[in-house]
Amino acid sequence: GAVVSQHPSRVICKSGTSVKIECRSLDFQATTMFWYRQFPKQSLMLMATSNEGSKATYEQGVEKDKFLINHASLTLSTLTVTSAHPEDSSFYICSAAQGELGTQYFGPGTRLTVL
Amino acid sequence: EDQVTQSPEALRLQEGESSSLNCSYTVSGLRGLFWYRQDPGKGPEFLFTLYSAGEEKEKERLKATLTKKESFLHITAPKPEDSATYLCALLAGTALIFGKGTTLSVSS
Repeated sequence: GAVVSQHPSRVICKSGTSVKIECRSLDFQATTMFWYRQFPKQSLMLMATSNEGSKATYEQGVEKDKFLINHASLTLSTLTVTSAHPEDSSFYICSAAQGELGTQYFGPGTRLTVL
Repeated sequence: EDQVTQSPEALRLQEGESSSLNCSYTVSGLRGLFWYRQDPGKGPEFLFTLYSAGEEKEKERLKATLTKKESFLHITAPKPEDSATYLCALLAGTALIFGKGTTLSVSS
């Protein structure tokens, strides 16, 4: 149990375009979803926390107008990277939990490359 | 400041050679300590949650323990398929704070 999927697994886009990443909890209802970013040989850094039906809470230094998060249902959250630039290239990983204090189960990640 | 430090950064073992990974932490209010396994290019896979000092959990060749200042992940008789990066994370408030991980390589 506790399976989380992400789509797409890999995306390459041109600078200035927007990219949407989907995160789905497949076998449980996730009241809370989290979005992380991981640079090579670094650990995961939390970008934002979203609760179903509420606005996301962003970590300090993360631009909310650049990284749009929508948590429309108990099984789906989306991250849209708007006007992507090469410095946004990274590994984006979502996690899902039943409540903010619940165990987080992670998706397989999305490798974003911005040319 | 809440902080997680993992050591060593990298560990090479022969198949069957048991060892331990360390996770030292400082936190104002521990709500949980988590261990995850991450394979290259993949998301972390949940292994264990520990909530209080003295608690231990086991799964196959892995055993996690917790004290008031650190956690250990003991690997008994590892196999090559145990090769991965092992991440320790603190739940402080509502956010997981991750360590940088220990990359384990097990050779046959």
